[in-house]
Amino acid sequence: GAGVSQSPSNKVTEKGKDVELRCDPISGHTALYWYRQSLGQGLEFLIYFQGNSAPDKSGLPSDRFSAERTGGSVSTLTIQRTQQEDSAVYLCASTPGSGGETQYFGPGTRLLVL
Amino acid sequence: DQQVKQNSPSLSVQEGRISILNCDYTNSMFDYFLWYKKYPAEGPTFLISISSIKDKNEDGRFTVFLNKSAKHLSLHIVPSQPGDSAVYFCAARRISSGSARQLTFGSGTQLTVLP
Repeated sequence: GAGVSQSPSNKVTEKGKDVELRCDPISGHTALYWYRQSLGQGLEFLIYFQGNSAPDKSGLPSDRFSAERTGGSVSTLTIQRTQQEDSAVYLCASTPGSGGETQYFGPGTRLLVL
Repeated sequence: DQQVKQNSPSLSVQEGRISILNCDYTNSMFDYFLWYKKYPAEGPTFLISISSIKDKNEDGRFTVFLNKSAKHLSLHIVPSQPGDSAVYFCAARRISSGSARQLTFGSGTQLTVLP
């Protein structure tokens, strides 16, 4: 398909373990965003990439969270030493360029930390 | 501090009638607004948007109204259909800022359209 894809779709992990979440944006989209949605909450911004650089990391909740993007395409969000409060749906979105207002979202990764 | 607020967590409407979803914001720097629809186990899907230079934008059954002085926007769906049942998120961004491109979302309103 031509949309944003994310993997895995679901992830269950034990507290203290590291997890990696992957996002494949729409081909050609230069801007990529990570959000998370906790139960009953709206989407919370985490980080924004323009190409491979991240000019805005202001939403990352702690230094256990990091993200990278390679080749201007795939992005990986890593959570180290997961905590129960990290349980949420992690959503990725992309836009065609730096000025694009409409963000196209992937289906999300549902993370459950036991 | 919630900058975008959707005060109604749920709304039920009869099929064929109008659905009105409301959203309030506090940040006067927001000047572009979007509505997204989300079905269970799917990502949000863009529905309609409006910039601050307009007070209304219409697309088929969907119309978004913006009242800048009241910092309020609303989404009207007419006529409502059972397939419209979903969670609707209001979102806002500051297009005038070079780095702040992220969207700020409300907490969503679950719309149920009853057949």
